[in-house]
Amino acid sequence: AQSVTQLGSHVSVSEGALVLLRCNYSSSVPPYLFWYVQYPNQGLQLLLKYTSAATLVKGINGFEAEFKKSETSFHLTKPSAHMSDAAEYFCAVSDQGGTASKLTFGTGTRLQVTL
Amino acid sequence: DAGVIQSPRHEVTEMGQEVTLRCKPISGHNSLFWYRQTMMRGLELLIYFNNNVPIDDSGMPEDRFSAKMPNASFSTLKIQPSEPRDSAVYFCASKPTGSAGNTIYFGEGSWLTVV
Repeated sequence: AQSVTQLGSHVSVSEGALVLLRCNYSSSVPPYLFWYVQYPNQGLQLLLKYTSAATLVKGINGFEAEFKKSETSFHLTKPSAHMSDAAEYFCAVSDQGGTASKLTFGTGTRLQVTL
Repeated sequence: DAGVIQSPRHEVTEMGQEVTLRCKPISGHNSLFWYRQTMMRGLELLIYFNNNVPIDDSGMPEDRFSAKMPNASFSTLKIQPSEPRDSAVYFCASKPTGSAGNTIYFGEGSWLTVV
């Protein structure tokens, strides 16, 4: 079964600093990987996804992630944090169930951005 | 395009009462998911449907929980009787059928408090 591990339940960065949120996956088959963001009192919104095309994936709001098979990682980065990036971020992996596939989520990382 | 629509957005109920949460997936999406989010357990997949048929309900916590999808545009999650430990945010999500890399779209959630 596929799974993801997010290292660090809380990350705090200064505004303008680099954001790095870590995600490692476990999968017996080539995975599809996702990053979602959840703002307070809202549902989850897709930031970006890897579906076996380019290993460097660019998403919304200036975020990107790089798929590294050798490290089984899919870390999320943003060069310069903004106050509006404060939210909870979830990494997820899709199984290879074909048309009936499902997502398994990590435990989430809460990003705090300080002045 | 309307997104995934959930109702009610907020519900407070007394222990022992029946709770019914409703979901309208995005038109044309063939897969529907019910997730539960709590501080302690994070995001848990309760059940998911493909073409209105339940595919995996192993995440349903116990017999008090049941879910139905009578047609392609409507699903319910019922808790009877409800208990305080059921307090959580319940998310419905939907996805187009086809590739496992297709994006899952989430509703805004139903915030349930059982007192």
